[in-house]
Amino acid sequence: QQPVQSPQAVILREGEDAVINCSSSKALYSVHWYRQKHGEAPVFLMILLKGGEQKGHDKISASFNEKKQQSSLYLTASQLSYSGTYFCGTGGNNNDMRFGAGTRLTVKP
Amino acid sequence: DSGVTQTPKHLITATGQRVTLRCSPRSGDLSVYWYQQSLDQGLQFLIQYYNGEERAKGNILERFSAQQFPDLHSELNLSSLELGDSALYFCASSVGGTIGTGELFFGEGSRLTVL
Repeated sequence: QQPVQSPQAVILREGEDAVINCSSSKALYSVHWYRQKHGEAPVFLMILLKGGEQKGHDKISASFNEKKQQSSLYLTASQLSYSGTYFCGTGGNNNDMRFGAGTRLTVKP
Repeated sequence: DSGVTQTPKHLITATGQRVTLRCSPRSGDLSVYWYQQSLDQGLQFLIQYYNGEERAKGNILERFSAQQFPDLHSELNLSSLELGDSALYFCASSVGGTIGTGELFFGEGSRLTVL
């Protein structure tokens, strides 16, 4: 029931782009994206809701394919501050919120 | 500062013992979620409460229990502790009871070490 994220890790140079994918085996009501820096709490980035509504970050975009039960997070022109572990969380109709194993993103100067 | 308060921040105890972790949600939030994060691992969903009632249950062990009180704070009780229970325990809160309607605000976590 836990969503699957890919890649597990990615290393970028400042200014490069990255895509993080999240897929689920069950029907989704929503997809959440969070970023966690080492030793800190996860911080909200974005919610994508079934039906197309999207709420979130103005420098990061995402897509949600309801039919395929997949979401992708797009990080463009990455900055050093983007480094961290990105988690997707999927909400089904039974109201739990399960997170993927995370994608560790490292942005180097 | 997310507005979610967790205590204690750090806790060291021995196997077989029992501990209680406490969470105060953001003002106005009715839902509380508990997650377990082992070293460099993902967030494992344990349980959710909404306005005092259990709303959703995840991979919570029988040795663990939780509740949400009338003032909306929540406690996670861990008993008969094992070495494998060592982890960072996060509490998160949200306004509504239906996931997907709003973001989760995470506390700083309680780091439990079982020796």
